[in-house]
Amino acid sequence: DGGITQSPKYLFRKEGQNVTLSCEQNLNHDAMYWYRQDPGQGLRLIYYSQIVNDFQKGDIAEGYSVSREKKESFPLTVTSAQKNPTAFYLCASSSWGSSYEQYFGPGTRLTVT
Amino acid sequence: AQSVTQLDSHVSVSEGTPVLLRCNYSSSYSPSLFWYVQHPNKGLQLLLKYTSAATLVKGINGFEAEFKKSETSFHLTKPSAHMSDAAEYFCVVSDDSGGSNYKLTFGKGTLLTVNP
Repeated sequence: DGGITQSPKYLFRKEGQNVTLSCEQNLNHDAMYWYRQDPGQGLRLIYYSQIVNDFQKGDIAEGYSVSREKKESFPLTVTSAQKNPTAFYLCASSSWGSSYEQYFGPGTRLTVT
Repeated sequence: AQSVTQLDSHVSVSEGTPVLLRCNYSSSYSPSLFWYVQHPNKGLQLLLKYTSAATLVKGINGFEAEFKKSETSFHLTKPSAHMSDAAEYFCVVSDDSGGSNYKLTFGKGTLLTVNP
C-alpha cells in the first residue's frame, strides 16, 4: 500500500520544547516537502528536498530544521525559536519537475501551550 | 514571479446544482496548474492537473477545469454537487522559472458548502 505517512496525528508540547514530526514515503519519490497550514492562509512551504542529503529553505524556514538521510524519510523539527508553532503540518512528496503533482500525507496537528 | 488568486473564499450551493470555483493565476512561464481538495483535518488529494496538453481537463469525482490562457484562469466546475463534495479546494500553479528549480504556489482556498 503506497503512500505517505505522518505521525503522530495530534501532538501537544509545552512552549520552549523542540518537537520532531515524522514523514515517511514509499512512493520512491526523489523530492519531499514540508508545509504549514493556518486557517485562511493556504499552504506555506517550510523546507523541501530534491535529493538525499540536500535540502532548501522555503518561504517560512525560520524556527524549523530538517534532515534527509534516507530517500524515504524527511523529519521536521519545530524548534523553540519558532514564535507561533501551533499549526497543521503537511508533508508531501513528488517526482522532481514542475509538471509532477505532489502527494500529501494526512498531516500532524501540533499544539504548543 | 507567479501567484494564484482564488476569487471566492466561500461558495455555498444546493445539492444537485452546479459548482463553480474560480481561480486566476499569474506566471512568467508556461505553467502547470492543479486543483486539490482537502476534507477537514486531512491531507490534500489531487483532483486534476493541466500540463500543456488538452485545455479541458477532467478529474476525479466528476470535476473538470478549463485552462484559458487569454483570461489566465483555471476555474473548477462540476455539473451537479453532492453532499460529499463539501470540503476546501486549492488552486495551485507551478512553473519552471526557466531553470531546473520550480516553485509551487497555493491559493488561499475556497470552502465549498453543499446544502441538502
